[in-house]
Amino acid sequence: DQQVKQNSPSLSVQEGRISILNCDYTNSMFDYFLWYKKYPAEGPTFLISISSIKDKNEDGRFTVFLNKSAKHLSLHIVPSQPGDSAVYFCAAGGGSNYKLTFGKGTLLTVNP
Amino acid sequence: EAQVTQNPRYLITVTGKKLTVTCSQNMNHEYMSWYRQDPGLGLRQIYYSMNVEVTDKGDVPEGYKVSRKEKRNFPLILESPSPNQTSLYFCASRRGTTTGELFFGEGSRLTVL
Repeated sequence: DQQVKQNSPSLSVQEGRISILNCDYTNSMFDYFLWYKKYPAEGPTFLISISSIKDKNEDGRFTVFLNKSAKHLSLHIVPSQPGDSAVYFCAAGGGSNYKLTFGKGTLLTVNP
Repeated sequence: EAQVTQNPRYLITVTGKKLTVTCSQNMNHEYMSWYRQDPGLGLRQIYYSMNVEVTDKGDVPEGYKVSRKEKRNFPLILESPSPNQTSLYFCASRRGTTTGELFFGEGSRLTVL
């Protein structure tokens, strides 16, 4: 049972445009969510997080939106840059669950 | 520099030959965890540890063992590796046991022939 789903394996956008990466979850106990970025041959690095008491969190070019009723979150990157090309993982955790559950990832390609 | 260090980074071994992947963090984090990344499957948790001498299974623990004798170290042990354990392995740590961002190591690519 996949509790965190990233339904788009890949996304391609033009430099300067907006990138929107989506993530859906099924477990109502999740109360905090994170996005990680991963370059080839490197470990995932933390990008941005949001707790369930908020519906938006912003950090520079990166904004995460949370829609609890739809069990959906999204990561917006504006403007997109070629250096943003990477695999993006959505992750969720919370309650008494010590695990952080990851989605399968979305490969973002930003074309110059 | 705050970091999670894994060794070896690359390893080719044969079926049945016991191996250990070491993991060490210098951030005094309580929580440590092992993940494996496989194409099309994302990151799946193998084992985690909330503190010294406290470990528990993740989603895919079969064929693996762990130990947490010291706070900074969390080795992953493959007693009898099999080809289906060929994967990219990541160790991670975080300060809190239930919340907070995970800090990942650079990964260990293991091939079992």
